[in-house]
Amino acid sequence: DTEVTQTPKHLVMGMTNKKSLKCEQHMGHRAMYWYKQKAKKPPELMFVYSYEKLSINESVPSRFSPECPNSSLLNLHLHALQPEDSALYLCASSQGPQGGSGNTIYFGEGSWLTVV
Amino acid sequence: GENVEQHPSTLSVQEGDSAVIKCTYSDSASNYFPWYKQELGKGPQLIIDIRSNVGEKKDQRIAVTLNKTAKHFSLHITETQPEDSAVYFCAASIGGNQFYFGTGTSLTVIP
Repeated sequence: DTEVTQTPKHLVMGMTNKKSLKCEQHMGHRAMYWYKQKAKKPPELMFVYSYEKLSINESVPSRFSPECPNSSLLNLHLHALQPEDSALYLCASSQGPQGGSGNTIYFGEGSWLTVV
Repeated sequence: GENVEQHPSTLSVQEGDSAVIKCTYSDSASNYFPWYKQELGKGPQLIIDIRSNVGEKKDQRIAVTLNKTAKHFSLHITETQPEDSAVYFCAASIGGNQFYFGTGTSLTVIP
């Protein structure tokens, strides 16, 4: 069962709010990702956690703060966002960096974020 | 780093016809090439993938071909149906956690 579950599906927040996006997978995957996607564009990598440690941060502003409480969970904490941060935020997971030739990544359905 | 180009950006076909989407990549070390289908309001769904030791892979109406020499790979959808309408993304990876996505193709199947 290749399933990545994201909550909430929709989130509207003000620029002074603090909110969190949550992601869960039960496939035993050891790598988890956050991507940001704008309309009609490909997903843009934000963060990668490998074995619960942050391994890639694509120069994301500090108003986005990732957290990996355990190997199944991934959070994205949001604070003081700007309207241009409105987008679809996708969580994904894969077997892990040692997967050799081609780690298949599986995406969740995403969280639609609107910053007002 | 890797650069993946995808063409066309939009594609309209009549129901029952075939659709072909092409991607080229720049890094000869890339060895894994997945294709994703993204329906409106949903996350990308893996539909087929191919590894560099294989030239072609087929799954029912969907096939992917890989030409390592020319550094391009293609998605072929036969007997298209309206439910095939979506945005399709190709991607390339040299392994590990880095994936490079193409810019996407919006496919419309006209009933």
